[in-house]
Order: sequence, then C-alpha cells, then structure tokens
Amino acid sequence: QKEVEQNSGPLSVPEGAIASLNCTYSDRGSQSFFWYRQYSGKSPELIMSIYSNGDKEDGRFTAQLNKASQYVSLLIRDSQPSDSATYLCAVKVTGGGNKLTFGTGTQLKVEL
Amino acid sequence: DTGVSQDPRHKITKRGQNVTFRCDPISEHNRLYWYRQTLGQGPEFLTYFQNEAQLEKSRLLSDRFSAERPKGSFSTLEIQRTEQGDSAMYLCASSYGQGLDGYTFGSGTRLTVV
Repeated sequence: QKEVEQNSGPLSVPEGAIASLNCTYSDRGSQSFFWYRQYSGKSPELIMSIYSNGDKEDGRFTAQLNKASQYVSLLIRDSQPSDSATYLCAVKVTGGGNKLTFGTGTQLKVEL
Repeated sequence: DTGVSQDPRHKITKRGQNVTFRCDPISEHNRLYWYRQTLGQGPEFLTYFQNEAQLEKSRLLSDRFSAERPKGSFSTLEIQRTEQGDSAMYLCASSYGQGLDGYTFGSGTRLTVV
C-alpha cells in the first residue's frame, strides 16, 4: 500500500463547478497535510495546509481532514480554466523525520 | 526574499558524466530539502539539511549521489557517473523550522541523460 494515494485522473469539471480532489494516507501518525498545485513543467506551489479534523477555507479552496478515516480532500469552488493543473497531496508524519511524502497527484481539467 | 533559486534550469549530459546542481534557499529558512520527480509521479524525497547538517537521506540516494550544504546556506547535489534512469526533475525546497507551513519549492533542474 502506498503511503499517500490519489486518483491520477484526469478529473474533468465544467467551468464554474466544484472540483473535489481526494487523498488517503496510510500512516495514522500523520499530523500535517498539504495540497500543492503543479502546472505542467513547473514546480509545486503550496495552496493549502491543514492539521486538525474538519474544514479549512481559503478563498475558493476548502481543505477537509478526517483523521479517523485517514482521508484529506480539497474542494475548489467556481472552478476556472486557470485551475487546470495537477494537485499533489503531501503528508508529514510526526516522528518520520521532517520530510513530506507526496502522492502521485490528480490531474484536474476545467473545461469551458 | 527572492524565493528558492536553482541552477541550472536544464542540464543535458552524456551517460557516465558527473553533474552538480545548486540550490539557494530563502535566506531565513534553516531547512533545505532535495526531491526528485519523474513524469507522472509525485516528488520523491532524497535528503534534507538543517543548517549545515544532513539529517536524513532516502534509500533512493545511491552512493553516486552526494549533497552538501557547507555553510548552512546554499546546497549542492552531485550525481556521479550519471545513468539514463537519473533523468528527472530535481527539486529543492526550503522551510523555516519544522515546516509547519509547508515547503517552498524552487523552479527545479531538469536533467536529461543521453
């Protein structure tokens, strides 16, 4: 079982819709969770972090964390074509050194 | 704060040659990380430094790979005797403290071994 799992997609949504991206992780000791956006040929860019169960909102983005289910998600409201990118879920495990472990990413396509 | 800088942006080398990449982190960040990313995959951890000390190395980091951060500022990653399987994007990131706010990545160095 991979440490961090994401559906590779592509996930296609129409412009203006809500995009829902999901991530599961295997280590119950995971404490910090991050969503990065990566455009093709570019480096990852941090968009959200979450540490506690529940929702965290930042503009059009909402991160959701459920530690009991070992599940973290990212919702993008009012999706725009500029949101088309690969979204990487990253997890940091307490006691696992200081590294982030990344999933393979989900490709999102927002269609006009 | 000019972000994390990596040099060069692209490197094409012949198999068997040595290559060295440089990373300049955000100035107040004391932790520096190296990752490798291949097409369709997420970044894979290679190693990290706290100040000048190399605190963790991945099993992915074979003995052909070496990283340094001599004065706790910039870092270099050297690959000796490159192989075609080394072709990838090499990403550097930095953070302050334990990186509770995540890492900031540089633009990466794309290595192609021919």
